[in-house]
Amino acid sequence: AQSVTQPDIHITVSEGASLELRCNYSYGATPYLFWYVQSPGQGLQLLLKYFSGDTLVQGIKGFEAEFKRSQSSFNLRKPSVHWSDAAEYFCAVGSMEYGNKLVFGAGTILRVKS
Amino acid sequence: AAGVIQSPRHLIKEKRETATLKCYPIPRHDTVYWYQQGPGQDPQFLISFYEKMQSDKGSIPDRFSAQQFSDYHSELNMSSLELGDSALYFCASSLGQGVETQYFGPGTRLLVL
Repeated sequence: AQSVTQPDIHITVSEGASLELRCNYSYGATPYLFWYVQSPGQGLQLLLKYFSGDTLVQGIKGFEAEFKRSQSSFNLRKPSVHWSDAAEYFCAVGSMEYGNKLVFGAGTILRVKS
Repeated sequence: AAGVIQSPRHLIKEKRETATLKCYPIPRHDTVYWYQQGPGQDPQFLISFYEKMQSDKGSIPDRFSAQQFSDYHSELNMSSLELGDSALYFCASSLGQGVETQYFGPGTRLLVL
């Protein structure tokens, strides 16, 4: 069965501090991976994606993520968090073998302290 | 750049009523996905269409039906609404059925009273 785990429900960081949000997946097929961000009451905005190739991918707003096949992980990082980054972050996994539908993690709510 | 359009943005219905949600994909996108996000939950896949044909089906109740039209817009029809159907309904679109990015609309927030 396909599953995505985001172990941290809430994370609080100080503005200017670094951030890492964890994502682990269990998938019986070749996955492709996404990080989406959702502000309260808003839609899902794509931050970055990994399909193949370089395992370190750059996204919008200064975010990056690294795909580690051996650890089945796709952690999201940002070197310096801004107050406007406060939102909920979802890791999602898809695969052509499973019809391209996305399976989402439970989300991580990021709070930023000033 | 044009994005996915969903209408209405907000909808309030009574139990046992029906609702129709509409999704207009990004121009030239031929694949549409519907997801349901309950309060405090992650989005759950409902159904998808490619070139006007249903391509995959997830945890969509039998009370719900959907279709994709010749202009690629899609409609999600929900009947005999229940309190538990209150959720944010997202539509996403992509180009083709290969390894493609799904772009999400702003969602329709449905409240069933």
